[in-house]
Amino acid sequence: GAGVSQSPRYKVAKRGQDVALRCDPISGHVSLFWYQQALGQGPEFLTYFQNEAQLDKSGLPSDRFFAERPEGSVSTLKIQRTQQEDSAVYLCASSLELGDEQYFGPGTRLTVT
Amino acid sequence: QKEVEQNSGPLSVPEGAIASLNCTYSDRGSQSFFWYRQYSGKSPELIMFIYSNGDKEDGRFTAQLNKASQYVSLLIRDSQPSDSATYLCAVMSPNQGGKLIFGQGTELSVKP
Repeated sequence: GAGVSQSPRYKVAKRGQDVALRCDPISGHVSLFWYQQALGQGPEFLTYFQNEAQLDKSGLPSDRFFAERPEGSVSTLKIQRTQQEDSAVYLCASSLELGDEQYFGPGTRLTVT
Repeated sequence: QKEVEQNSGPLSVPEGAIASLNCTYSDRGSQSFFWYRQYSGKSPELIMFIYSNGDKEDGRFTAQLNKASQYVSLLIRDSQPSDSATYLCAVMSPNQGGKLIFGQGTELSVKP
């Protein structure tokens, strides 16, 4: 079946712009995760959802970052007033249930100029 | 001390050899352990997961877990140039919900 999809694949934003990154999980997967990966580092947790409930947002770096999953399927990660330090690859992953193995989408590479 | 530690490498092995990748973790309550492969410019791809002490084999890959020593390893037998990638170790702990804690990854280079 189809895997996790993300869009856009690449995004260039000028500093101060708002961006929205979309994730479409594997069909039927209840849990959805967002990670941020800097060059040469492992992914770092941002937030996760169980259905539409956001259970942990402890990894969001600032209040400029906001995520939602209103219908328990597609999720959007929004970054307001982007800064250069927000430049990274944003990865979405989903799992059938919480605690199961996670499958990653292709990521969105965000470059803030 | 980082929660999950890996040698960054690069680890270089000749084609056909066994590649051994190691990972240690600090949370003794961790219960689930995952190995992901990440090619340059691509996203992580799940290759193995292990929950119980001992070995778990899948084709050319063997994951080994020792909870008492808090380490997990990945062996790749008959290494191929196509195995050249960064290997990420990830750990999941019940007291941290379902999130994965990743090491920084080990870069593996398999030389023909």
